Amino acid sequence: GAVVSQHPSWVICKSGTSVKIECRSLDFQATTMFWYRQFPKQSLMLMATSNEGSKATYEQGVEKDKFLINHASLTLSTLTVTSAHPEDSSFYICSAREMGTVGHFGNGTRLTVT
Amino acid sequence: DQQVKQNSPSLSVQEGRISILNCDYTNSMFDYFLWYKKYPAEGPTFLISISSIKDKNEDGRFTVFLNKSAKHLSLHIVPSQPGDSAVYFCAAEAGGTSYGKLTFGQGTILTVHP
Repeated sequence: GAVVSQHPSWVICKSGTSVKIECRSLDFQATTMFWYRQFPKQSLMLMATSNEGSKATYEQGVEKDKFLINHASLTLSTLTVTSAHPEDSSFYICSAREMGTVGHFGNGTRLTVT
Repeated sequence: DQQVKQNSPSLSVQEGRISILNCDYTNSMFDYFLWYKKYPAEGPTFLISISSIKDKNEDGRFTVFLNKSAKHLSLHIVPSQPGDSAVYFCAAEAGGTSYGKLTFGQGTILTVHP
């Protein structure tokens, strides 16, 4: 149990375009979903926290207008990187959590902006 | 600043011996600690956790020790198996409004040789 599906696993896009990443909890209802980013040789860094039906909470230094998060249901959250630039190239990974349990991670999305 | 540190980027151990992975933290608000294992091209998988009210938690071959005064925790794997070869991340969580938000270390690559 506790499977989190993240799609796509990798994406290449041109500078200035937008990319949407989906995160789904397949066999449980995720009251909270978290989005992390990992740059090469660095640790996972929390970007934002989203609760179903409410606005996401962003960590300091993360641009909310650039990284749009939607958590429309208890099983789906999306992260849209708007007007992507090469410096947005990174590994993005989501975590979904039921109340009272640990978070379960998706397999991540490797974004390359050319 | 790095609030959770794993100072050993890598560790090599012989099969059957003990693997000890270390983690230090600086934020005294952290009250819950987790270890995740990560294989290439997959998301982190939860391994074991410990609350700050305990100093030891055991689950099969895995034991986590917490020394609050030293702000140090360690993961012991006994006996180590080749399948344990992966990247191990230490993570910490503060309660209250930070519930569920994880701060990760940089990870330690464990290699278990047959």
